[in-house]
Amino acid sequence: TQLLEQSPQFLSIQEGENLTVYCNSSSVFSSLQWYRQEPGEGPVLLVTVVTGGEVKKLKRLTFQFGDARKDSSLHITAAQPGDTGLYLCAGLQPKYGNKLVFGAGTILRVKS
Amino acid sequence: KAGVTQTPRYLIKTRGQQVTLSCSPISGHRSVSWYQQTPGQGLQFLFEYFSETQRNKGNFPGRFSGRQFSNSRSEMNVSTLELGDSALYLCASSLGLAGGLGEQYFGPGTRLTVT
Repeated sequence: TQLLEQSPQFLSIQEGENLTVYCNSSSVFSSLQWYRQEPGEGPVLLVTVVTGGEVKKLKRLTFQFGDARKDSSLHITAAQPGDTGLYLCAGLQPKYGNKLVFGAGTILRVKS
Repeated sequence: KAGVTQTPRYLIKTRGQQVTLSCSPISGHRSVSWYQQTPGQGLQFLFEYFSETQRNKGNFPGRFSGRQFSNSRSEMNVSTLELGDSALYLCASSLGLAGGLGEQYFGPGTRLTVT
């Protein structure tokens, strides 16, 4: 059983479309991170959110942390082929100590 | 600044053998964490070392072990390999403990195949 549920698992869209990826848990996060991983590479940190209700923007990417700090979303506006990759959320939950727990990931493919 | 390096990048071993993987963190980083990534289980935390001491451990059997040297370089060892150990093993380094808000930098991983 995944402690962090990510949805959808797969997403295939056309260039220019918008999309949202979700990360949910029944437990509270002390902080949550989003990573992007390309084939043959390790994950690269995109953002860390800490405060409930926090919204952070990174160019065309918008990250939101739920008010109760149990969920998060990643929204991409006008997706580009270069956005293709595996998107992972990872959270620190007090009940699991200082271990970063990862979701299963969302595979995004943006077609030109 | 050089990134996290892992060696070897690819490895093929036979069931029952043992394997040692190496990770060199970014210069100045004192924490090294190890993760196993598989299609079925995703990314799972193995252990974290900070200043040569294991600070945190995931839910893996004792066949998985690690150590960290005084120069912060780390190795992980898997003994008595099983087919299910086939995975991408990722190492990540950070300035402080990974449980803090410090950014973790991942290496490219070692792809281990057990036949």
